[in-house]
Amino acid sequence: QVQLVQSGAEVEKPGASVKVSCKASGYSFTDYFIHWVRQAPGQRLQWLGSINPNSGGTISAPKFQGRVTMTRDTSLTTAYLEVTSLQSDDTAIYFCARDLITARPVCPALWGQGTLVTVSS
Amino acid sequence: SYVLTQPPSMSVAPGETARITCGGNNIGSKSVHWYKQKPGQAPVLVIYYDSDRPSGIPERFSGSNSGNTATLTISRVEAEDEADYYCHVWETTSDHLFGGGTKLTVL
Repeated sequence: QVQLVQSGAEVEKPGASVKVSCKASGYSFTDYFIHWVRQAPGQRLQWLGSINPNSGGTISAPKFQGRVTMTRDTSLTTAYLEVTSLQSDDTAIYFCARDLITARPVCPALWGQGTLVTVSS
Repeated sequence: SYVLTQPPSMSVAPGETARITCGGNNIGSKSVHWYKQKPGQAPVLVIYYDSDRPSGIPERFSGSNSGNTATLTISRVEAEDEADYYCHVWETTSDHLFGGGTKLTVL
């Protein structure tokens, strides 16, 4: 079955970077965009960006441009999210999600279990 | 910037109908998706493209979208429907937006 499995929880200090992975299985990895969405405690979902696993092309939310980097390794069917210059308000659960339809970043449909990133000195 | 507005909470008795709204300027011209999220879990897509249901989602879930309001309707509400519900639109090619979420309590 289609599955996205994310890496484990991380604790980072302010100013550091974090890299989260998202291992996909059960479908053709290069056919569907992967989205990254985060949720701070008690807050709404917040879209960070999307990557086209076929081309490696990315789209980032304006707020996060320059601070998030999305990559993929097609041989490992894994997508990665790196966030730099972490601050306390970056503490959140970070989700990856596969899009609903092929070849377009329209709708995050199938979600990973989430990765808790805690930023604390 | 575009904003999606949802009521923070609502309560409904079992067997009744819950209607969760998502307001936005001319939202009827956009495609709206809805997610259900239980505490400590990842969101689950329950409605896409305004009114389509993914496989495995009960027929009790339906959606509509017109004017400035999109609506998620849950008929014959059950205890398992208690969760947070979020609306979502793809505003431009550079931004996806989510509503603030509605906490549905089943009395």
